Amino acid sequence: KAGVTQTPRYLIKTRGQQVTLSCSPISGHRSVSWYQQTPGQGLQFLFEYFSETQRNKGNFPGRFSGRQFSNSRSEMNVSTLELGDSALYLCASSLAPGLNNEQFFGPGTRLTVL
Amino acid sequence: ELKVEQNPLFLSMQEGKNYTIYCNYSTTSDRLYWYRQDPGKSLESLFVLLSNGAVKQEGRLMASLDTKARLSTLHITAAVHDLSATYFCAVDRTGNQFYFGTGTSLTVIP
Repeated sequence: KAGVTQTPRYLIKTRGQQVTLSCSPISGHRSVSWYQQTPGQGLQFLFEYFSETQRNKGNFPGRFSGRQFSNSRSEMNVSTLELGDSALYLCASSLAPGLNNEQFFGPGTRLTVL
Repeated sequence: ELKVEQNPLFLSMQEGKNYTIYCNYSTTSDRLYWYRQDPGKSLESLFVLLSNGAVKQEGRLMASLDTKARLSTLHITAAVHDLSATYFCAVDRTGNQFYFGTGTSLTVIP
């Protein structure tokens, strides 16, 4: 069974640009969560989608947005990039938002903002 | 906001020794997860603890959960070099919104 896939794996952008990251969950998984990992702030929750609806959102500015498609694939978008947005962005999938579901993480997209 | 604290942040231990990593969290939760991360890699699931008193073991690692004390431990027995990695605990209160600890960077020295 294929794991969570994320594209692209690496990305270099400049300040002010926007970026879109993609995540394909494990087959059959319908919930997708996004996390940002930085050396200073650690792992922080961005948002979670289930059935094309955003269920939860972390404490990030509106420049960070996402969506989920009918096939459960998800994208996140960051507009007007800032240097501080440089991070590893991790996507995780689970069967559904039930409380006992284990999340499986993808390899991540490493974003560098210059 | 739920806060998750791990200690120690850094751990250097000799092969063959035992040690425990602690994970404290600030509000009630019955679900706690442990992950391992190797440098430049993603998170690998180690343990899922879903009730008070839960104990799980895999190889040289054993995790436990005390929901009353809001404490989970990850115990390492007879460490080997392959266990060198960063270990994270994560607490989930609402379903798929994980609050991660700061991570414990473990180095096992031959």
